[in-house]
Amino acid sequence: GAGVSQSPRYKVAKRGQDVALRCDPISGHVSLFWYQQALGQGPEFLTYFQNEAQLDKSGLPSDRFFAERPEGSVSTLKIQRTQQEDSAVYLCASSLANSYEQYFGPGTRLTVT
Amino acid sequence: KQEVTQIPAALSVPEGENLVLNCSFTDSAIYNLQWFRQDPGKGLTSLLLIQSSQREQTSGRLNASLDKSSGRSTLYIAASQPGDSATYLCAVYHLSNYQLIWGAGTKLIIKP
Repeated sequence: GAGVSQSPRYKVAKRGQDVALRCDPISGHVSLFWYQQALGQGPEFLTYFQNEAQLDKSGLPSDRFFAERPEGSVSTLKIQRTQQEDSAVYLCASSLANSYEQYFGPGTRLTVT
Repeated sequence: KQEVTQIPAALSVPEGENLVLNCSFTDSAIYNLQWFRQDPGKGLTSLLLIQSSQREQTSGRLNASLDKSSGRSTLYIAASQPGDSATYLCAVYHLSNYQLIWGAGTKLIIKP
């Protein structure tokens, strides 16, 4: 079956531009997660949704980062006024309710120049 | 605060060798531990998930062990192949929440 998909796969933005990253979770998966992975590091948690509710956004590094999942399926991670330190791979994962096993998408590699 | 450490950071071995990757965590209050593989430009592939009540899981040439009391897990790869070359990451799920806490990974190169 279809896995988690993310688009775009690669994004180059000039410093100061706004970007929007999309995640399509596995159909029926209630939970959705965003992670940020810097080069040579493990992923770090950004935010978590259960259906359309954003239950935890404690990992978002600044108020320039915003995530939404208005209908409880597709999610968008928006970064305003991008900075060079935002350059990373952004990973999306989804899971069934009451399941700790997360399934990951291929990620979006963001490069801010 | 939970911290996950993976040693070594990189490993290069000849094809055919058996090898062990190490993962340690500071807080034993974990729900489970998961090993992932990450290939360049691709997403994360789950390899093995070990529940906190289990001591090991096996899949093909892979065997993962978990010792909660000592805060350690190992991933054993038997008869390594060049296709095993990738970065291997371990991550723990905490009892208190759903967040995955990750190690920085071990970059494995299998030389033909």
